[in-house]
Amino acid sequence: DTEVTQTPKHLVMGMTNKKSLKCEQHMGHRAMYWYKQKAKKPPELMFVYSYEKLSINESVPSRFSPECPNSSLLNLHLHALQPEDSALYLCASSQKGRRGNTGELFFGEGSRLTVL
Amino acid sequence: GDSVTQMEGPVTLSEEAFLTINCTYTATGYPSLFWYVQYPGEGLQLLLKATKADDKGSNKGFEATYRKETTSFHLEKGSVQVSDSAVYFCVPGGTSYGKLTFGQGTILTVHP
Repeated sequence: DTEVTQTPKHLVMGMTNKKSLKCEQHMGHRAMYWYKQKAKKPPELMFVYSYEKLSINESVPSRFSPECPNSSLLNLHLHALQPEDSALYLCASSQKGRRGNTGELFFGEGSRLTVL
Repeated sequence: GDSVTQMEGPVTLSEEAFLTINCTYTATGYPSLFWYVQYPGEGLQLLLKATKADDKGSNKGFEATYRKETTSFHLEKGSVQVSDSAVYFCVPGGTSYGKLTFGQGTILTVHP
């Protein structure tokens, strides 16, 4: 099993809603990531979890709240989002090497979020 | 910090044409180098990689050679297909979790 599974694939929400994006992997990877990707742009790193602990937060607004319940699951809780937060949200995972991540990430297909 | 300069697109080719997408980078040390591909409506997937100088990565007919002297990792394919239409990202690896430097991406469209 070499998949990273993301749900839902599409999400439409209003600015007052609370929703969550979910990500799951069963490759035994101990690092998991959230990226945000706007149309025709490269992905931008949001959060990194290493061994279920948040290791990197790239100054993401608090209306995005990550959670890593266990080594296979990663959630992104959304609350009071703005229309400019509409984007493709990508989850990824990687092996933990002795010197950190060398760049080989396994991505899910993404959750396309539209904020009205 | 690390940086990547990737050939600007979009690139439009006819089927069976030769493809080159240039990529040069600056990085600390000699990182692994990657090309990721994103097909329409999908997430990114690793296309190929090279872990040290002069290594050639290859997959699905695509090739790229790690050139330390020119800090380049150009992507090539001898005969493209319509199904190769996608966005291609050049990415030098690093030692910090998730802190990859993506190239700006090159949109490739292949017409029959």
